[in-house]
Amino acid sequence: DTEVTQTPKHLVMGMTNKKSLKCEQHMGHRAMYWYKQKAKKPPELMFVYSYEKLSINESVPSRFSPECPNSSLLNLHLHALQPEDSALYLCASSQDRSQSAGTQYFGPGTRLTVL
Amino acid sequence: AQRVTQPEKLLSVFKGAPVELKCNYSYSGSPELFWYVQYSRQRLQLLLRHISRESIKGFTADLNKGETSFHLKKPFAQEEDSAMYYCALKPGNTGKLIFGQGTTLQVKP
Repeated sequence: DTEVTQTPKHLVMGMTNKKSLKCEQHMGHRAMYWYKQKAKKPPELMFVYSYEKLSINESVPSRFSPECPNSSLLNLHLHALQPEDSALYLCASSQDRSQSAGTQYFGPGTRLTVL
Repeated sequence: AQRVTQPEKLLSVFKGAPVELKCNYSYSGSPELFWYVQYSRQRLQLLLRHISRESIKGFTADLNKGETSFHLKKPFAQEEDSAMYYCALKPGNTGKLIFGQGTTLQVKP
């Protein structure tokens, strides 16, 4: 399997809901990433996991909570989101974080709408 | 400051015309640079990385450290090249990827 997969494809949630986004890769990659992408804008990095440990949190509000249960799986738990959090959430993975092996491969994204 | 600049929001060319999408970067170290492409309703895909020095779908990009540029070129544009193109900089080993604002390439028939 040479792709990053994400579920669900679409998610609509209210501001009081709790939901989770899931990302999976079976390429043996040890670095995984969450990005947020607004329409016609570049992806913005949210979190970096390296060897299942959180290594970067780009000052993301605590209503977004990442989790890396194992080397193939990355979750993003959502709670008490705001309408402005509506966006495409992208997951990516790379062999590791180094320059030589750090090429990132992206999933198709989860389109999140917060009502 | 680490920054990627893509000066053109939109580049519109006719089929068969040459294409150059500009990318300039700001980084004091040794950069690693990428071009990603996002076709309509598809995932962000890696197009090129500078250390590979390869040509993908007829596109090439050369790193010019003197001008701090990594422009993407194709001699003859095709309609299927129409997409959003992002230049990205990977500074160091943190895993961070810094994207430019993107250039929409529109190839007209």
